[in-house]
Amino acid sequence: SQQGEEDPQALSIQEGENATMNCSYKTSINNLQWYRQNSGRGLVHLILIRSNEREKHSGRLRVTLDTSKKSSSLLITASRAADTASYFCATAQGGSEKLVFGKGTKLTVNP
Amino acid sequence: GAVVSQHPSWVICKSGTSVKIECRSLDFQATTMFWYRQFPKQSLMLMATSNEGSKATYEQGVEKDKFLINHASLTLSTLTVTSAHPEDSSFYICSAPTSGSARETQYFGPGTRLLVL
Repeated sequence: SQQGEEDPQALSIQEGENATMNCSYKTSINNLQWYRQNSGRGLVHLILIRSNEREKHSGRLRVTLDTSKKSSSLLITASRAADTASYFCATAQGGSEKLVFGKGTKLTVNP
Repeated sequence: GAVVSQHPSWVICKSGTSVKIECRSLDFQATTMFWYRQFPKQSLMLMATSNEGSKATYEQGVEKDKFLINHASLTLSTLTVTSAHPEDSSFYICSAPTSGSARETQYFGPGTRLLVL
């Protein structure tokens, strides 16, 4: 079953602009992760935020987590054409290593 | 960094045949691997958890006799789609948890695209 719901489903921006993607989930979690998938390829882990964290940064990425609202956001600053990809949030529950993925946001960054 | 490979990267087969997909961890051992299925423009759906030395654990709704999983060694898991039909056409991706005590994130293979005619 799918846990996360991302919005928007698709986002098109110009290079240099910021891109914000949101993810909501339904159950309690240990952590929430964001992955990137280039078209027709596997996924690459971007960033993990734990349930006791509220914000985390990694390079041009900023992730927030609001456990009271069961939501997270991924901000990509100063976007580049190479950031064009689908972005998925994924959650892990309890002691399980299993990840449950959201539906994803397809980001297009126009040069 | 650690790498997970899949073979083949794409396969076309006739309806009724069986197809085997390999997932290998290249520079680390993986006692657990996960198999996902992804339809076009959709998210990943977990199919099963592959466990080295024991039976795989299948998610609800996944036919274990249809999707045979074998985790023969600490670096290899295989998914065999038996008697494939056109509705089995999909993108199949495997992953393995990162090593170490955390094991929170996963390394993903590049995926295998299956087309059943």
